[in-house]
Amino acid sequence: GEDVEQSLFLSVREGDSSVINCTYTDSSSTYLYWYKQEPGAGLQLLTYIFSNMDMKQDQRLTVLLNKKDKHLSLRIADTQTGDSAIYFCAESKNAGNMLTFGGGTRLMVKP
Amino acid sequence: DSGVTQTPKHLITATGQRVTLRCSPRSGDLSVYWYQQSLDQGLQFLIQYYNGEERAKGNILERFSAQQFPDLHSELNLSSLELGDSALYFCASSVTGGGQPQHFGDGTRLSIL
Repeated sequence: GEDVEQSLFLSVREGDSSVINCTYTDSSSTYLYWYKQEPGAGLQLLTYIFSNMDMKQDQRLTVLLNKKDKHLSLRIADTQTGDSAIYFCAESKNAGNMLTFGGGTRLMVKP
Repeated sequence: DSGVTQTPKHLITATGQRVTLRCSPRSGDLSVYWYQQSLDQGLQFLIQYYNGEERAKGNILERFSAQQFPDLHSELNLSSLELGDSALYFCASSVTGGGQPQHFGDGTRLSIL
């Protein structure tokens, strides 16, 4: 089965908070990342967290990591229409550093 | 702008042909990665090079090959192309291979007719 799973779709109103969730299966995952992909564009690195951390905040973005449940979330505060995109969760281990991606969550922000 | 440059942006070719995709990593980055994004398979890791040497291999077909040159740019060669090879091919780079975040280029969209 999938190593990294995400829900397909999330719709929020402008100004609300968005929470995008991700689960992974490999307990040896040491680095977890969030990337954003806008239509026709590449993958933009948003933020990342090491497995020895529980939380990381960067301006409007908050990442929460629950290692026991292998659950990662990305909270976007005060969501704007410009945040509409596909968000990918990814994990890597120490060796090789190849990224394993989830299927992506399409975030739609309604005005 | 991530600093990773991929050319060409779009490529249209026919089945059975061979193409070369090019990637210039961010200044100072030694590691280059190639990924394929398709509708049915999602984003999949293909191969990684570090300072000219192959470091890791993923779901890369035997018809595909890559290399990293002394100036650290990389090329992905796709041969005997099939309809199913139509996808977006991304290059990413990082400073080293050990957990450092990868920065992605805008991709090359390959369409096989």
